Amino acid sequence: AQRVTQPEKLLSVFKGAPVELKCNYSYSGSPELFWYVQYSRQRLQLLLRHISRESIKGFTADLNKGETSFHLKKPFAQEEDSAMYYCALRHFGNEKLTFGTGTRLTIIP
Amino acid sequence: NAGVTQTPKFRVLKTGQSMTLLCAQDMNHEYMYWYRQDPGMGLRLIHYSVGEGTTAKGEVPDGYNVSRLKKQNFLLGLESAAPSQTSVYFCASTQPSGSYNEQFFGPGTRLTVL
Repeated sequence: AQRVTQPEKLLSVFKGAPVELKCNYSYSGSPELFWYVQYSRQRLQLLLRHISRESIKGFTADLNKGETSFHLKKPFAQEEDSAMYYCALRHFGNEKLTFGTGTRLTIIP
Repeated sequence: NAGVTQTPKFRVLKTGQSMTLLCAQDMNHEYMYWYRQDPGMGLRLIHYSVGEGTTAKGEVPDGYNVSRLKKQNFLLGLESAAPSQTSVYFCASTQPSGSYNEQFFGPGTRLTVL
């Protein structure tokens, strides 16, 4: 069964410090993973997808098939990074997403 | 373009009452989804639709029904509301293609069942 695990419900990091939000998955096929973000009073939106291998707002995420992980990283946290972050796994065909339970990131000034 | 809109934004129900949540999208997307968001549970898929006139069950469908009579609208119904259905409900839509297209989310409906 497909599953996405985000072990940290809450994460607090000082401004300027590195950030790492953990995501692990279980999937029988070739996975496609995403990070979605929900800023305060805003709707959920796509942050980045692993196939693009892009950096968005300074965040990167590398798919590690050996460790079945897709951790989100940023070298220097900014206050505007405070938000709820969800890792998600794509289901091919019907485009369903399985979401993790989310990590609330708080950046301490 | 308004994107994905949801009506109403807030609602308080008593146990046993019924209501319908409306989701509308103006992007001509084929696929639409209803999720519920609960603390510590993340987003869970209730029902989804891969086209006008089609619906399918998601992860937590019990107690809900849906209809997709028009491509742009996806309705979520609660026939007899229960306190366990207190949640924030999100609608999303996407247009399928060979590569993944992101799901676009609505602003959410906060529902409280007393």
